[in-house]
Amino acid sequence: AQSVSQHNHHVILSEAASLELGCNYSYGGTVNLFWYVQYPGQHLQLLLKYFSGDPLVKGIKGFEAEFIKSKFSFNLRKPSVQWSDTAEYFCAVDPVGSQGNLIFGKGTKLSVKP
Amino acid sequence: GAVVSQHPSWVICKSGTSVKIECRSLDFQATTMFWYRQFPKQSLMLMATSNEGSKATYEQGVEKDKFLINHASLTLSTLTVTSAHPEDSSFYICSATLATEQETQYFGPGTRLLVL
Repeated sequence: AQSVSQHNHHVILSEAASLELGCNYSYGGTVNLFWYVQYPGQHLQLLLKYFSGDPLVKGIKGFEAEFIKSKFSFNLRKPSVQWSDTAEYFCAVDPVGSQGNLIFGKGTKLSVKP
Repeated sequence: GAVVSQHPSWVICKSGTSVKIECRSLDFQATTMFWYRQFPKQSLMLMATSNEGSKATYEQGVEKDKFLINHASLTLSTLTVTSAHPEDSSFYICSATLATEQETQYFGPGTRLLVL
């Protein structure tokens, strides 16, 4: 079965530290890839997405993600986190042709200490 | 743009009653709406996909008679949990896509249901 795994359940960082959140998926075909963020008390918001082209995609608020096809990975990165980045981050995969059936990872909670 | 709302944001009901949750696209027409369920510390699980004017497509294991979905217009989809039981208590989230951007889903804030 198709699945998405996010390696870290909870990550705690100090401000200005660099961030990398792992995401791996199991699906052999073409996929669209997404990272969503959920700030405390708010709804899921799209952070960035990859459909095709340059495997390094840039999103909002200084986030970027790199698609490595050979590793079935789509890791999220940010060079220097801020306290306001405290949130839960979800990786999601949309197998092309699945008519929008997003498969979500379990999420990674990021806590940034001021 | 692409704002999705849900109503109510939370609801408490007695076992055996039915609960209706609304999902609206506020500033766009949604060709497709999705309903998800999220358990604590779990990922979102897709329940069903609904297109305006047609029957919803349910994921395997989701009872269509239990979770009634109506997508009456391009801006409104409803999920009715019929004869709710405590095990139906969960966080229900809807999402919608634009006709011009069908690969990207925009999410509502979710509805927390507690069945006593």
